[in-house]
Amino acid sequence: DADVTQTPRNRITKTGKRIMLECSQTKGHDRMYWYRQDPGLGLRLIYYSFDVKDINKGEISDGYSVSRQAQAKFSLSLESAIPNQTALYFCATSDDANSYEQYFGPGTRLTVT
Amino acid sequence: SQQGEEDPQALSIQEGENATMNCSYKTSINNLQWYRQNSGRGLVHLILIRSNEREKHSGRLRVTLDTSKKSSSLLITASRAADTASYFCATDAEASGSARQLTFGSGTQLTVLP
Repeated sequence: DADVTQTPRNRITKTGKRIMLECSQTKGHDRMYWYRQDPGLGLRLIYYSFDVKDINKGEISDGYSVSRQAQAKFSLSLESAIPNQTALYFCATSDDANSYEQYFGPGTRLTVT
Repeated sequence: SQQGEEDPQALSIQEGENATMNCSYKTSINNLQWYRQNSGRGLVHLILIRSNEREKHSGRLRVTLDTSKKSSSLLITASRAADTASYFCATDAEASGSARQLTFGSGTQLTVLP
């Protein structure tokens, strides 16, 4: 089984709808991250969390919110989706006792029409 | 803002040849990492080099780091068609302190022709 899973894998939604992307991990890592990737670009950090009580904004947090329900679960919400939020979204984890390499989920392809 | 920028943006080579990708960054770092992404998939960590290291090897991968030039290179030797992917450098900036965030470059798309 994959260590970092994301649901859904693909989603098409309409402008103005609220949508939640979910991430679960079995690696036992405290640190979790949400990124978005646009075509031809690298990953940009949306939010990150170092434990259940710790949530931090990343580079591009506007229009997004997150919830860390448990050590293993980190959800990303788009409160009112807009077309320029169409992108590939990745969840990642890392072990803060180690070298900070990150382990990525398979991604969620989100299209906002 | 992108801390790391890869060069070239795209690279096409024949199987068996070596592939070299470069990464430049702007601020002092704790470490630099290279990741691989197959089309539409998640990133996979390849190798990490710390700021006090100059060269590191892992299998067919060789990474160098020049902190005076704020640059790194990734060499893949004896490339295979299966190496076709996008390669990203990611920097862990000293300025991020305990946050230890990674900042990713825009990637090099490598195509290895059989």
